[in-house]
Amino acid sequence: DVKVTQSSRYLVKRTGEKVFLECVQDMDHENMFWYRQDPGLGLRLIYFSYDVKMKEKGDIPEGYSVSREKKERFSLILESASTNQTSMYLCASSLVLGGGNTEAFFGQGTRLTVV
Amino acid sequence: GENVEQHPSTLSVQEGDSAVIKCTYSDSASNYFPWYKQELGKRPQLIIDIRSNVGEKKDQRIAVTLNKTAKHFSLHITETQPEDSAVYFCAAGGYYGGSQGNLIFGKGTKLSVKP
Repeated sequence: DVKVTQSSRYLVKRTGEKVFLECVQDMDHENMFWYRQDPGLGLRLIYFSYDVKMKEKGDIPEGYSVSREKKERFSLILESASTNQTSMYLCASSLVLGGGNTEAFFGQGTRLTVV
Repeated sequence: GENVEQHPSTLSVQEGDSAVIKCTYSDSASNYFPWYKQELGKRPQLIIDIRSNVGEKKDQRIAVTLNKTAKHFSLHITETQPEDSAVYFCAAGGYYGGSQGNLIFGKGTKLSVKP
């Protein structure tokens, strides 16, 4: 079974703090993604990475950065947390085959509250 | 970049009826169209996917159709059951520029199946 594990299930941080959300996958997937899930807005892509040290901005990258130093680990960084970044964050990974994407497997999510 | 529109946002059906959810996408380079089901408090999980070289795919009570010309795809659930109640997300993925594997989601459809 593919396992995508996020480091925290719940997190409470203060405004202005630097926040790290970690995600690890154990299936040697090339692609890794960070999404933000808010009611009525669906899953919005923040960043994705298709290889070590490679990253692409998604639809809402402002206020976030990412790091992928090893293939299995993809970190989301909130440089200076703000209350409007309170949300559920979902990490996902997928294998790339000749024709493109395959099934994305999601982590359990991190519920971040910024106070 | 890719934009995925999903309709309706909520859908209520009687048990045994059929449910149809529709999505449109904007980028003709997209070649992978998965559907995910997310039950309350759980992570999204793939229920069916289709690639751009296929027009229709079925898996028991679930089917997906793709119209590449019109850039829309639909999820059909027949003989709905209460356990089908969940939020359903469509997505579009493919190659964009020099990178691989971007995956953009619609905003979701909350399906309620009434006994």
